[in-house]
Parts: sequence; C-alpha cells; structure tokens
Amino acid sequence: KAGVTQTPRYLIKTRGQQVTLSCSPISGHRSVSWYQQTPGQGLQFLFEYFSETQRNKGNFPGRFSGRQFSNSRSEMNVSTLELGDSALYLCASSSLAGSRETQYFGPGTRLLVL
Amino acid sequence: KQEVTQIPAALSVPEGENLVLNCSFTDSAIYNLQWFRQDPGKGLTSLLLIQSSQREQTSGRLNASLDKSSGRSTLYIAASQPGDSATYLCATSSGSARQLTFGSGTQLTVLP
Repeated sequence: KAGVTQTPRYLIKTRGQQVTLSCSPISGHRSVSWYQQTPGQGLQFLFEYFSETQRNKGNFPGRFSGRQFSNSRSEMNVSTLELGDSALYLCASSSLAGSRETQYFGPGTRLLVL
Repeated sequence: KQEVTQIPAALSVPEGENLVLNCSFTDSAIYNLQWFRQDPGKGLTSLLLIQSSQREQTSGRLNASLDKSSGRSTLYIAASQPGDSATYLCATSSGSARQLTFGSGTQLTVLP
C-alpha cells in the first residue's frame, strides 16, 4: 500500500500571501489530521477531518482552514501568511473513527515564509 | 489540558548499549499512547501503539510499557545501532480520539 503523500514538499512564500497544502491518505483511510511542527512549539494539532467533516480543531487562528474531499484527500489553507507560520506541516491518516488505530504520517510540507 | 514531557531531551550512547527513553503525561485518561521516530527533516514513523488497557507492546528490539496510574511510559531499545539515531517522540490520544498530544522528543545518537 502506498503511504501518505503530501504535496508540495517544499514551499517558499512571502508575508501576506496564502498557501494551500495537499494530503492524500493511505487508500481506505477516511480520517486525516494535520499538525504543525516548529522548533519552538514542537508538534501541535491543527484539525482533523473524517468523511468530509471537521471533527476537531486545535488552538490556531482562523487563518488556518482545511477541507476534505469525497476521496478522503485533504487540503489545508493558510491565509495572510506570517513569518511565524514557517514550519513543517504534517498530515496523518488512519482508518477508523475511533481511537484504536495507528496514525500514519506523511513526509510533510516544509513552508518558509519570508 | 494534557501535557506530555520527555526526558532527557538528548541522549548519546555507544553502539550495542541498551537504553530507555522516558515519557510522562499529566492526564491518565488516555485512549492510547504511541511512540514515533523522526529522522531529520522527515515525517514521523510509528513504532509502537499501546492501548490504554495494555501494559506493554514489543516490536523487534523495541519494547514500550505504559503505566497509566503513574502517567508514565518507557521505550526500551535493546542492542542499539547507529541506524537508531533519530528523535523519538511519544504522543497520547485522549478526549477527541484523533488528536495527538506530543512530547518534545528525545534526540538519540548512537555512536559507532
């Protein structure tokens, strides 16, 4: 089975721009979660989607949004980029709605905001 | 609010040594605990998942234990190898099933 894929892998943007990141989960997985990783804050939960519905959202401003499509692929969008948004953005997929299933992470998208 | 702590932040050991990485959490009402490995600039690789009802899980040279009552988990690595060098992260899942709370990680270096 192919793993979780994320595109693009690297991205450079300037302050004020917006960006869209994409995540394709493992085939058959319906849950996709997004995390932000920075040296200062570590790994922080952004949001989770299951069957096209946002089930949970972390403590991030409204500039961070996401969606999930009927094929379970997910996108996250960050508007009005700030320097502090520079980070590695990771998505994870899992097959069950409950808590028993391992989450599988993609390689991440490294975003640099100048 | 769940807080996950990992000590030490960095660890350097000679090849062949057995070692233990520690993880503690403040809220014992967890669904499960996962240990991950992260290589520099890469995503996370799941190593072991321990359900809240379990006490330990084993995979090859890795053994993870869970003590919910004391809010602690350990990852035991036997006969360490240079290829084990990476950052090891533990994460708990509680409340909302899919929201993982991560520790800050232990950066392990195994010297040949």
